[in-house]
Amino acid sequence: DQQVKQNSPSLSVQEGRISILNCDYTNSMFDYFLWYKKYPAEGPTFLISISSIKDKNEDGRFTVFLNKSAKHLSLHIVPSQPGDSAVYFCAAAPSGGYQKVTFGIGTKLQVIP
Amino acid sequence: DTGVSQDPRHKITKRGQNVTFRCDPISEHNRLYWYRQTLGQGPEFLTYFQNEAQLEKSRLLSDRFSAERPKGSFSTLEIQRTEQGDSAMYLCASSLEQLGQYNLGSYNEQFFGPGTRLTVL
Repeated sequence: DQQVKQNSPSLSVQEGRISILNCDYTNSMFDYFLWYKKYPAEGPTFLISISSIKDKNEDGRFTVFLNKSAKHLSLHIVPSQPGDSAVYFCAAAPSGGYQKVTFGIGTKLQVIP
Repeated sequence: DTGVSQDPRHKITKRGQNVTFRCDPISEHNRLYWYRQTLGQGPEFLTYFQNEAQLEKSRLLSDRFSAERPKGSFSTLEIQRTEQGDSAMYLCASSLEQLGQYNLGSYNEQFFGPGTRLTVL
């Protein structure tokens, strides 16, 4: 069963506009929510995280919003740049002695110049 | 280059053969993870090590799979009697965890290697 769901396989956005990537989760035991970015032929790269006790975390052009009651999070990229074109994985991890990460299937973002 | 490295990057084998992959984590990292990613899916957790101890294995890791981290540094993942369904990208990641402390309030980033792409013919 998919505990982390990304329902949009792809997204195209014009350069300079906002990109919004969405993610839903089902497991209430998750305490950290993560976004990883992946370019072709490379491993995923950590982008930003948010703890379940927060509803927003911002890092430069990237902001992650968490709606715990809806079990929904989103990643906003403003302004979008062509170099942001990549596959974005939503992921989640529990707290505790280790952090086994559960990934969604990814959303391919294309930023059009 | 001080990132996570994996070798080989690509492996083509025939069904029934054994294959072994190697992962070299970031040198000071004490945790090492293996993931598998198939086409159209996200990475799926396989197993992880705290130093040389293998602390958890996923149900995905059948008895044909074995992973080791003999000296708490590099790790190997071996697949015996490969099947076509084993074709995937095998990703290794490492992280630095403070021993004896649970990671409350923060996520300790897992750094991923570039992966080994396995094709079983």
